[in-house]
Amino acid sequence: AQSVSQHNHHVILSEAASLELGCNYSYGGTVNLFWYVQYPGQHLQLLLKYFSGDPLVKGIKGFEAEFIKSKFSFNLRKPSVQWSDTAEYFCAVDKAAGNKLTFGGGTRVLVKP
Amino acid sequence: DVKVTQSSRYLVKRTGEKVFLECVQDMDHENMFWYRQDPGLGLRLIYFSYDVKMKEKGDIPEGYSVSREKKERFSLILESASTNQTSMYLCASSYDGTSDYNEQFFGPGTRLTVL
Repeated sequence: AQSVSQHNHHVILSEAASLELGCNYSYGGTVNLFWYVQYPGQHLQLLLKYFSGDPLVKGIKGFEAEFIKSKFSFNLRKPSVQWSDTAEYFCAVDKAAGNKLTFGGGTRVLVKP
Repeated sequence: DVKVTQSSRYLVKRTGEKVFLECVQDMDHENMFWYRQDPGLGLRLIYFSYDVKMKEKGDIPEGYSVSREKKERFSLILESASTNQTSMYLCASSYDGTSDYNEQFFGPGTRLTVL
């Protein structure tokens, strides 16, 4: 069965620090990849997505992610975090055109002011 | 703006009760989904529907059923609630286009506690 692993459950960092969240998946075929974010008290919303083409994708709020096919990874990055980036981040994977997402366990990020 | 609404933000029920969670979307989306969200486990798909009266089991359908009588509404039913169904339940919907993958839009969630 397809699975998605997020390496860290909790991350605490200070404002202006760089953030990298790891995501690995187990499915060997063509995949679509997503990062979703859930800010405190808000809906889950899409941060960025990868379907094909340039493996470095840019999303909202200064986030980017890099798809490395050989490593089955889709890590999320932000060079300089802000207090408002405090949230839970979820990686999700879908087999191409399947429209069924498998989510990772989530990473809670706390940015100290 | 796509809007996905869920009937309750918080719900408390007793073991053995029948529970209905309602979800409505206003963007004429074909696909609708029910997930449960638990700490450390992320979101797990319970059921989804790609058309009216059509449903497919997700990864954890046991103890749940669904109903989709109208395109905009997708209900999750717990026939006999149990304490291990205490969780946050999220509904989502997406357009079923023929080209690029279509984003899933999520509702605010219903936090269900079964006593």
